[in-house]
Amino acid sequence: ILNVEQSPQSLHVQEGDSTNFTCSFPSSNFYALHWYRWETAKSPEALFVMTLNGDEKKKGRISATLNTKEGYSYLYIKGSQPEDSATYLCAFAGGTSYGKLTFGQGTILTVHP
Amino acid sequence: DAGVTQSPTHLIKTRGQQVTLRCSPKSGHDTVSWYQQALGQGPQFIFQYYEEEERQRGNFPDRFSGHQFPNYSSELNVNALLLGDSALYLCASSLGAAPGETQYFGPGTRLLVL
Repeated sequence: ILNVEQSPQSLHVQEGDSTNFTCSFPSSNFYALHWYRWETAKSPEALFVMTLNGDEKKKGRISATLNTKEGYSYLYIKGSQPEDSATYLCAFAGGTSYGKLTFGQGTILTVHP
Repeated sequence: DAGVTQSPTHLIKTRGQQVTLRCSPKSGHDTVSWYQQALGQGPQFIFQYYEEEERQRGNFPDRFSGHQFPNYSSELNVNALLLGDSALYLCASSLGAAPGETQYFGPGTRLLVL
């Protein structure tokens, strides 16, 4: 059974703060690591797909790094805004399951004005 | 581009009944995956369809079955509903089944089993 863990479970920050959270995944048989943002009452929105060790991706104020050797990825948000409030999910693709995504439980981010 | 659409948005059933959920993929996408999200958990993979065949399956009983049509739309069927089947069911589409392909999600169908 693949184990994908995210920490922290929830996070409260003030507008303007920078924040980061972690996704841990199995370090063997890695194919890809996906990050999603999921706002309440909306569809999960794809942020990044990361496939190579050392990958760094950036989208506006959000960036992510990947370490496949040790099995972790960090998501960073610079200068958090209230509209960044959402659940951030990571999903691992690997092992014996080719196209299947195994999700973590998510990090719930609340940005207070 | 309408994106991934799912119907219905909400559904209430009683134990023992059967339910069919529907998904239309994003334009040009040929692969559909289904996920179940229970409260407080991340989405759990049910199965994936590509070229009208089930290609991968998660740890779900045979009560969960599916179908993909020639236009790539898909259905998820659940027989003999249990209270524990109450969840949000998400459909995702992608261009091919490769693990590096982005899966685009629909808004989900919320199923309540009484």
